[in-house]
Amino acid sequence: DTGVSQDPRHKITKRGQNVTFRCDPISEHNRLYWYRQTLGQGPEFLTYFQNEAQLEKSRLLSDRFSAERPKGSFSTLEIQRTEQGDSAMYLCASTRREGTGELFFGEGSRLTVL
Amino acid sequence: GENVEQHPSTLSVQEGDSAVIKCTYSDSASNYFPWYKQELGKRPQLIIDIRSNVGEKKDQRIAVTLNKTAKHFSLHITETQPEDSAVYFCAASPPSNTGKLIFGQGTTLQVKP
Repeated sequence: DTGVSQDPRHKITKRGQNVTFRCDPISEHNRLYWYRQTLGQGPEFLTYFQNEAQLEKSRLLSDRFSAERPKGSFSTLEIQRTEQGDSAMYLCASTRREGTGELFFGEGSRLTVL
Repeated sequence: GENVEQHPSTLSVQEGDSAVIKCTYSDSASNYFPWYKQELGKRPQLIIDIRSNVGEKKDQRIAVTLNKTAKHFSLHITETQPEDSAVYFCAASPPSNTGKLIFGQGTTLQVKP
């Protein structure tokens, strides 16, 4: 499968623990996005990378959240000191084209914080 | 920033009928409006999109219309089939060079056989 892949698909953790999600975009896609989706809602933009540079962060992204894309390929999203309100599906998307166009989404990483 | 409102939140139609989902956006400079379909437990996938220099686009049973003056766009599905049952999201792309999308809240479409 040459689509966007995310790992793990499911994560259950206790409040206060740290979690890390990984996203492998489609090869040669230089743009990568993280979104959060809660039940019954549309995906909410969290952050955007062009190559290794993080160029935009949403106000939704508190200090407990950090994202990296060290070599401009895969990306990680870490949540420190998880809270129950962090429970959601974390979606990664990538695209190659400049300007606006289709985002290719991964299957998502579902986080449950107990 | 851009805000996208989507209606209705749920829609139930009989197989063969048409379905219409409507969205409004707030930033008049937004220039790209895609529609995504998300089946249960699956990733969102693009089904059709329209750019601000076009008023209507059609792809087989699916069409999208855009009214820039009123800042709204709609998805039309004709001859609905049970496999059309899913959650549909509209989105708008604000006028930046990031390509990010701002999504509506989603519409759950149920097509009854």
